[in-house]
Amino acid sequence: GQNIDQPTEMTATEGAIVQINCTYQTSGFNGLFWYQQHAGEAPTFLSYNVLDGLEEKGRFSSFLSRSKGYSYLLLKELQMKDSASYLCAVMDSNYQLIWGAGTKLIIKP
Amino acid sequence: NAGVTQTPKFRVLKTGQSMTLLCAQDMNHEYMYWYRQDPGMGLRLIHYSVGEGTTAKGEVPDGYNVSRLKKQNFLLGLESAAPSQTSVYFCASSRTAEKANEKLFFGSGTQLSVL
Repeated sequence: GQNIDQPTEMTATEGAIVQINCTYQTSGFNGLFWYQQHAGEAPTFLSYNVLDGLEEKGRFSSFLSRSKGYSYLLLKELQMKDSASYLCAVMDSNYQLIWGAGTKLIIKP
Repeated sequence: NAGVTQTPKFRVLKTGQSMTLLCAQDMNHEYMYWYRQDPGMGLRLIHYSVGEGTTAKGEVPDGYNVSRLKKQNFLLGLESAAPSQTSVYFCASSRTAEKANEKLFFGSGTQLSVL
């Protein structure tokens, strides 16, 4: 079967760095997405990785290792507004998105 | 710049009642999707459409029907609501799904409670 695993909840301090991990087992691979979802709101696109390595976009970076079936989202200089759920999704060989349950990130002052 | 608009935002139904959720997008996107989101689970695809007049089943289609009569609109219907359909429903759209890096644009969601 297809499976995406992420931690359910993480807590970090304002100004710090946090890494949210995602491991996957899917039928083929056509890329991995990260979305941010604030409570009661719609998911919004953060990043897309299809090749191994690190993609940096401002305070947010996303890493992919296809051989390990592993990705992480790195958030630097955490701000209170970063409190949200972070959703990992993998596109399989049929271009279908498989979603993880999301990681709720709590930022404390 | 409305993007993807969903109505209504909240709805309460009694078991057996029917309802329709409306999704509209103004980005001229070909693909549209209906997802449900439940606590502790990833987004699950109910139905999707690859263009006007076409629909297809997703992962959890039972108990739902959809229609895409116009390119910009995608309707989700519940013929006879059941408590198991209590969930948050999201509509989404994308330019295409035939390119792997196409991101989804989501509506603001509908909280549906079935009593």
